[in-house]
Amino acid sequence: NAGVMQNPRHLVRRRGQEARLRCSPMKGHSHVYWYRQLPEEGLKFMVYLQKENIIDESGMPKERFSAEFPKEGPSILRIQQVVRGDSAAYFCASSLTSGQSSYEQYFGPGTRLTVT
Amino acid sequence: AQSVSQHNHHVILSEAASLELGCNYSYGGTVNLFWYVQYPGQHLQLLLKYFSGDPLVKGIKGFEAEFIKSKFSFNLRKPSVQWSDTAEYFCAVNGNQFYFGTGTSLTVIP
Repeated sequence: NAGVMQNPRHLVRRRGQEARLRCSPMKGHSHVYWYRQLPEEGLKFMVYLQKENIIDESGMPKERFSAEFPKEGPSILRIQQVVRGDSAAYFCASSLTSGQSSYEQYFGPGTRLTVT
Repeated sequence: AQSVSQHNHHVILSEAASLELGCNYSYGGTVNLFWYVQYPGQHLQLLLKYFSGDPLVKGIKGFEAEFIKSKFSFNLRKPSVQWSDTAEYFCAVNGNQFYFGTGTSLTVIP
C-alpha cells in the first residue's frame, strides 16, 4: 500500500508564475490536509478537504492560494503569482476520517517550493 | 478555540541525557494526541499516539508520552537520547480539528 504521494518534490518558480502542487492520498483515504512549513517555523495548517469539498480553509491566505480535491485524481494546491515569501515546504497529509476519530494523519514527503 | 503549545523551541542535549519535551493543548472535549518526528530531510512520521486507556503510551525508538488530563498535557520523554534522535518533534491534537504545535528542534551532541 503506497503512502501519501506528492509531486513534484522540488519546484522552482520565478516571481509571478503559478505553482501547482499535487497530492495523492493513501489508498482508501478520503480526507486531505495541506500544511506549510516555513524555515525555522513549525507546521501551519492551510486547508482541509474531502472529495469535492473544502471543509476548512481557515489557514489559507485569502488571495492567490486555492485548493481542490476532485472526485477523480489528486488534490491540487495552487498558488498564483508566487512571491518570494511563498518559498517553503508544503506537506500533504491524508486520513481515513477526522474530527472525533482515532485515525492519525499520514504525511507525504513534501514539495519544496523555491521562488526566485 | 483549540490550540497546541510546545514550550521548548530548541533543545540541545548530550548523548545519554534524558529528554522531556512539553506539550499543552486547549480543548475541552475528548482528544486524540500524537507526537510526530521529522528527521533532517525527511517527512513527518508518527512517533506515538494516545486514544484512550493507559495514559502512559509507548512509541517507537524508546520514546514514551504521558497524558495528564488535569494539566491538558502530553509530554514526550526518552530516558537516554542518541545522536540519531536529532530531529524536529511535533505535538498534535485531534479534537474537532487536527492542530500541530510549532515544533521543538532537538540536537543531540555525540
